[in-house]
Amino acid sequence: SYELTQPPSVSVSPGQTASITCSGDKLGHKYACWYQRRPGQSPVLVIYQDTKRPSGIPERFSSSNSGSTATLTISEAQAVDEADYYCQTWDSGTVVFGGGTKLTVL
Amino acid sequence: QVQLQESGPGLVKPSQTLSLTCTVSGGSIGSGTYYWSWIRQPAGKGLEWIGRISTSGRTNYNPSLKSRVTISLDPSKNQFSLKLSYVTAADTAVYYCARDPSDYSGSHYIWYFDLWGRGTLVTVSS
Repeated sequence: SYELTQPPSVSVSPGQTASITCSGDKLGHKYACWYQRRPGQSPVLVIYQDTKRPSGIPERFSSSNSGSTATLTISEAQAVDEADYYCQTWDSGTVVFGGGTKLTVL
Repeated sequence: QVQLQESGPGLVKPSQTLSLTCTVSGGSIGSGTYYWSWIRQPAGKGLEWIGRISTSGRTNYNPSLKSRVTISLDPSKNQFSLKLSYVTAADTAVYYCARDPSDYSGSHYIWYFDLWGRGTLVTVSS
């Protein structure tokens, strides 16, 4: 079955840029999206169709998808960005989620 | 704005059927070209898509759960529901309902979830 691999954790200093990767076989040939889940809250879509931001998502959130890796980039990281981030795509008629990355801003 | 809210028993006995309902408010479940999905997350584990239903009643299920899952739609109540049979402790999780605006872009299918409910914890225990 298709798998997406994310690093368990990423740390970033406030104001710096955080990058979270998501790897899967020929992932660049598929569309990927990203969700943010703050503690105690439900997931929020932050990127869809590789690079698009839903209404209300800050421009600090951007993404790319090429080859086997999708990358979520959070520029000028803030304490409010501290959360779990999940990538997602689909394969063989079913949704596939990455295992999630805990972003720590400190 | 559109909101989703899960409801149902928080405790289910092993071998019984888990039943949850998602109520859509602020908009009609039958409007637009959305699918309506169920997703779950066991404690300390990742997200798992369970299945979805279209506004026309067409369903797609995760192959790993397909034999035990039924998703249905009740437009008159603006609700959709999940039934998961023969549950075990492994089915203990937070269950989310979500809106699924999937569509094609050229020849590529775009599949994502743009709106989620708050989630409800279901524990399977005797």
